[in-house]
Amino acid sequence: DAGVTQSPTHLIKTRGQQVTLRCSPISGHKSVSWYQQVLGQGPQFIFQYYEKEERGRGNFPDRFSARQFPNYSSELNVNALLLGDSALYLCASSSLLGNLEQYFGPGTRLTVT
Amino acid sequence: AQSVTQLDSQVPVFEEAPVELRCNYSSSVSVYLFWYVQYPNQGLQLLLKYLSGSTLVESINGFEAEFNKSQTSFHLRKPSVHISDTAEYFCAVSSVSTGANNLFFGTGTRLTVIP
Repeated sequence: DAGVTQSPTHLIKTRGQQVTLRCSPISGHKSVSWYQQVLGQGPQFIFQYYEKEERGRGNFPDRFSARQFPNYSSELNVNALLLGDSALYLCASSSLLGNLEQYFGPGTRLTVT
Repeated sequence: AQSVTQLDSQVPVFEEAPVELRCNYSSSVSVYLFWYVQYPNQGLQLLLKYLSGSTLVESINGFEAEFNKSQTSFHLRKPSVHISDTAEYFCAVSSVSTGANNLFFGTGTRLTVIP
């Protein structure tokens, strides 16, 4: 079975632009979470979606938004990009909302210039 | 709110030597505890977890961690490291009470095994 997949692998954007990152969870997993990992730091929780509804939100500005589709894949959108948004964006899936076994994808490396 | 402190940002150790990676947490509620490993250019992989029961948990590749509630610690140990253990290790906590599974991570410890 395929693991969690994310696209694109790398992305370079300019300040002020908008970006969309994509995630496909493990087959059968209904919960998707997004994390931001800035270089030299641990991942920080951004969002969790379960059954297409937002179930948790971290301390990120409204420029960050996400959604989950009927097939449980998810998109993370970031508007008005800032240099500080440069990071590795990780997607994690789990089978159920409260399931503590999370499986992470390889991430999307976003560079904002 | 929860927080995790990993005091050692880098730990160099010779091959076949023992290693301990330290993790302390702070929380006003009961927590679940995790160690994740991140190899270069890869995502995070769950190494081991403490949910309840025995305070000593083990992974399949020889790592173990012990939950110490009085010291709010969850240190990771291995009696003999291999070159392949070179990676970044993250300690994480999740609140028992939220029902969700968002994780709070420490800043990571880079373990470098020297031949």
